[in-house]
Order: sequence, then structure tokens, then C-alpha cells
Amino acid sequence: DGGITQSPKYLFRKEGQNVTLSCEQNLNHDAMYWYRQDPGQGLRLIYYSQIVNDFQKGDIAEGYSVSREKKESFPLTVTSAQKNPTAFYLCASRQGSEAFFGQGTRLTVV
Amino acid sequence: AQSVTQLGSHVSVSEGALVLLRCNYSSSVPPYLFWYVQYPNQGLQLLLKYTSAATLVKGINGFEAEFKKSETSFHLTKPSAHMSDAAEYFCAVSDGTSGTYKYIFGTGTRLKVLA
Repeated sequence: DGGITQSPKYLFRKEGQNVTLSCEQNLNHDAMYWYRQDPGQGLRLIYYSQIVNDFQKGDIAEGYSVSREKKESFPLTVTSAQKNPTAFYLCASRQGSEAFFGQGTRLTVV
Repeated sequence: AQSVTQLGSHVSVSEGALVLLRCNYSSSVPPYLFWYVQYPNQGLQLLLKYTSAATLVKGINGFEAEFKKSETSFHLTKPSAHMSDAAEYFCAVSDGTSGTYKYIFGTGTRLKVLA
């Protein structure tokens, strides 16, 4: 089945550690996105990529990094510089005007 | 700059009653508008989208929305609520003309359906 796979579904991180969230798609979409979701704040754009080996910062990129070495993959690293990383993270890819979302990763700092 | 405002963070309706979720947008260019639904701990699923064709857009699960340029609104409606409609709903706007499609989301409306 075609779709977007995010892993893991739940992730726990100790303060001061970097952690990488996986996002893989087999939809052959060029554009991919990372959003952060906090209660009452909707979704906020972290990074997006229009094509392989290219990506741009979104509205809240500080403390995050990404790579886009393959069309299928757009991993997000939450670094120790991110002051409040506990959130629900959503990855999406786009075809035409429509975005398709993964099932999300819930990151908790312990 | 584009923005989206969803009026009402929580809406409760009785089963069988009309569902109306409000969305107003701001955009300096012709917008693309979307409604997404999210169930707990899940991703977002597209309900419907407006991309400058018909102003009344029909979506999945009996939902529809009307694009009103004069009111800068894109409200979501469903004639008769089902228990399965209980979820969080997000309105989003995107600038399709630039090619980047940076989706801007509202803060969401949580719909509760009362038996």
C-alpha cells in the first residue's frame, strides 16, 4: 500500500540528547514537510523540502535539523538546542495541491 | 502573509443535528483552502479542498464547505452529525501560486457529538 510511514509512534528522550524521527514515503512525491503539533496551537511548519538535496526552514526551525538525501526519506533530528521538544510531530508529502500525512510520532522528554 | 482563524476551539452538537465549523482566512493571493480531520493520536485526513473551481465543495463523509470571497470564509458543514464525526478539525490555507505550498493551519476545532 502506498503511504507515509513515521516511526517510531512513541519516543522518549532524555534532556540533552539528540533524537531522529523517521519519515518514509512510497508515493513518489517530490515535496515533503515536517510539522509540530501542540494542544491549542494547531500545526506549525518546521522544515520543508521541494526536491532531493534541498530544504528550507519553516516557521519554527530552531533546534531542529533535516536531510533529504533520497526522495523517499525526510528524517527530522530534534537537537538538544530545542528548548521544549515534547510534542506530536507530523510528516507530510504533497502531490499537486494536496498534502498527505503520516500517523505521527509523539516525542516526550523525560 | 496568509493566516487562518477557526472560531471556537470546542463545538458540541447533538447526534442528527447540523454541524457548522467556522473558518476565516487571510490571503493576499487567491488561496487554496482545505479542511482536515484528525482522530486521537492519528495523522490528518483530507476532508475537502477548494482550489478555485466550484465555490461549494463536497467532501468525504457527507461534509461540504462553501468558499465566500466577500466574507473571506470557508465554513465546514454537515447536515446531520454522527457519533463517528467526533474528532478535531483543522482548516488550512495554502498559496498555490508560488509553487511552495506552505500550508498554514488554524488552531483546530474539537467536535463533540452528544447522544
